[in-house]
Order: sequence, then C-alpha cells, then structure tokens
Amino acid sequence: GIQVEQSPPDLILQEGANSTLRCNFSDSVNNLQWFHQNPWGQLINLFYIPSGTKQNGRLSATTVATERYSLLYISSSQTTDSGVYFCAVESGGSYIPTFGRGTSLIVHP
Amino acid sequence: DGGITQSPKYLFRKEGQNVTLSCEQNLNHDAMYWYRQDPGQGLRLIYYSQIVNDFQKGDIAEGYSVSREKKESFPLTVTSAQKNPTAFYLCATSDSSSYNEQFFGPGTRLTVL
Repeated sequence: GIQVEQSPPDLILQEGANSTLRCNFSDSVNNLQWFHQNPWGQLINLFYIPSGTKQNGRLSATTVATERYSLLYISSSQTTDSGVYFCAVESGGSYIPTFGRGTSLIVHP
Repeated sequence: DGGITQSPKYLFRKEGQNVTLSCEQNLNHDAMYWYRQDPGQGLRLIYYSQIVNDFQKGDIAEGYSVSREKKESFPLTVTSAQKNPTAFYLCATSDSSSYNEQFFGPGTRLTVL
C-alpha cells in the first residue's frame, strides 16, 4: 500500500515563529487531508487538498501531486497551535485513507 | 446540531469484560470508520462501513466487532479477545458520494484495569 511519511516528527517553536510541516507519499493520490489533533484528542479538519494551494487565516497548504508531497505552513504560531498534525491520503480506488505518523508541535509562550 | 458524537468520553473496564463504544452521526454520511490510537502513535483502522448492513475489517480487526444496522450508528465492541485494549478510540465519517473528506468524533478513552 501507499506509504506516508511526515517530517519533522517533533517541532518546538517560540510563539510568533513560522514553520513548515511536510508530508511525502509514495504513490499518486486522489485525496489528501491535513488534520490538527488538539491536546484533548479531537481531530480537526484543516485542509482537504489533493492538489494546489489553500489558505485559511495563518495556515496554508500546498500539494504538489506530481512530486508526491504536501506542505503545511503555520505563520505567527500561537500556543493554541500546539498538538499533533496528521496528513492522510487516499490512492487508487480506495476510500480508506492512510495516515502518516504525525508531527508533534509545541509552541511556547 | 450536526456532528459526530461518541460516548462515553472515558471508560474503565476490568480485564476480560466486553465493552461497547457508541458512535452516532447526523451528517447523513454513508461511510463510517473506527480507528485506534496509542500514545505517541498515528491512527490505525479497525473496521469501516460504507453502507448499512455491510462492514469490512481494517488493519487491526482482531478482538473487535461492529454492527451497522442504521446509517446513523456504528457501535464498536471491544471483546475480551483483544489482548491490549487500553487506547484512544476515534470514530469518523465521510460522504463517499462526494469528496470523501473525513470528519472525526471527539473520541473515547478506554482503560482496562
């Protein structure tokens, strides 16, 4: 099956800093989602982005499907951005997403 | 109020007991999923269902069972055969007729003593 690798595994920032999280995948994809899991465990949808670029406030994402990667940008980070960021992809005819292992982000005040 | 509800939020059980976790949705989504998450780990698929009265095993189905008698409900039973049931369990739904974007419930944290 498709392999999904996220980097870095851990990231520590000072409030106000910018960061880039990466998701590499081993095959062409139909769907790609980015999620934020908050400290209480809730997964929140950030972006549905199988290709192209989207922005939502301080967050933006870019997927370059032909090169098999997606990037999540966080600008002017805040303590509430802390948590784990997951990338999930679907490929072929499967409706079942494959999740990466996540990037754990800690933002210090 | 639309969304996905999971109950209970926390559950404690003695070893050897079966326990059922509830997942209900009013998003009118066809597909429902159960995932397990262990500390510091990603999500692993237990079972999924794309239509009522049909479900498929995921990567780690052993020791679990499900039913899908109604579109809105997809309960998960953790049986005594599951060797290490203590984990965080997440239910998700998606509209497979659309983009199949997944949405998650708040999760149930199961601790087996």
